[in-house]
Amino acid sequence: KQEVTQIPAALSVPEGENLVLNCSFTDSAIYNLQWFRQDPGKGLTSLLLIQSSQREQTSGRLNASLDKSSGRSTLYIAASQPGDSATYLCAVRPETSGSRLTFGEGTQLTVNP
Amino acid sequence: SAVISQKPSRDICQRGTSLTIQCQVDSQVTMMFWYRQQPGQSLTLIATANQGSEATYESGFVIDKFPISRPNLTFSTLTVSNMSPEDSSIYLCSVERSSGETQYFGPGTRLLVL
Repeated sequence: KQEVTQIPAALSVPEGENLVLNCSFTDSAIYNLQWFRQDPGKGLTSLLLIQSSQREQTSGRLNASLDKSSGRSTLYIAASQPGDSATYLCAVRPETSGSRLTFGEGTQLTVNP
Repeated sequence: SAVISQKPSRDICQRGTSLTIQCQVDSQVTMMFWYRQQPGQSLTLIATANQGSEATYESGFVIDKFPISRPNLTFSTLTVSNMSPEDSSIYLCSVERSSGETQYFGPGTRLLVL
């Protein structure tokens, strides 16, 4: 059974700092991995999707990397801003069984002005 | 991307009653899903809503408790039946335009059962 772990569970940083969020998964047979952002009381916003054949994806100040063989992904946020404060979730999709995503428990990020 | 709306956005319900949540997408999609997010926890998939046929439920979820409809490619409903306080959660609808691609989520329905 796939298990997804995110470390740290919570992170508080001053504005402007670069930071890294970590995601690890136990079964490396994945089709892709997706990073989401969730604001309090809201739904999920898709940030980046990395296919299993890719090493990284970038969008603006965000960069996500994937090391499938070691079961790890990182989300790098450059020059953090208070508006980045949210919970960040990673989710993996298995190579089989269609579209069933397994989510980590998230990292709650607070960026202080 | 996909624009997804859910109704209601939140509700407070009495034990033993049922609530139907609606999910509407702005265009036709292949896949629609329902998730539950219990307080302080991550998301758990309840079922895949199949157009024109019975939903596919995950382990631990049954049709009698969570009946799902999907009459067309843009709309689905999830009913939470015979509710108890343990059903208090955020319920989220998500979609994929094609299987295996980016999954998009609705804003969620926050349910509190007293």
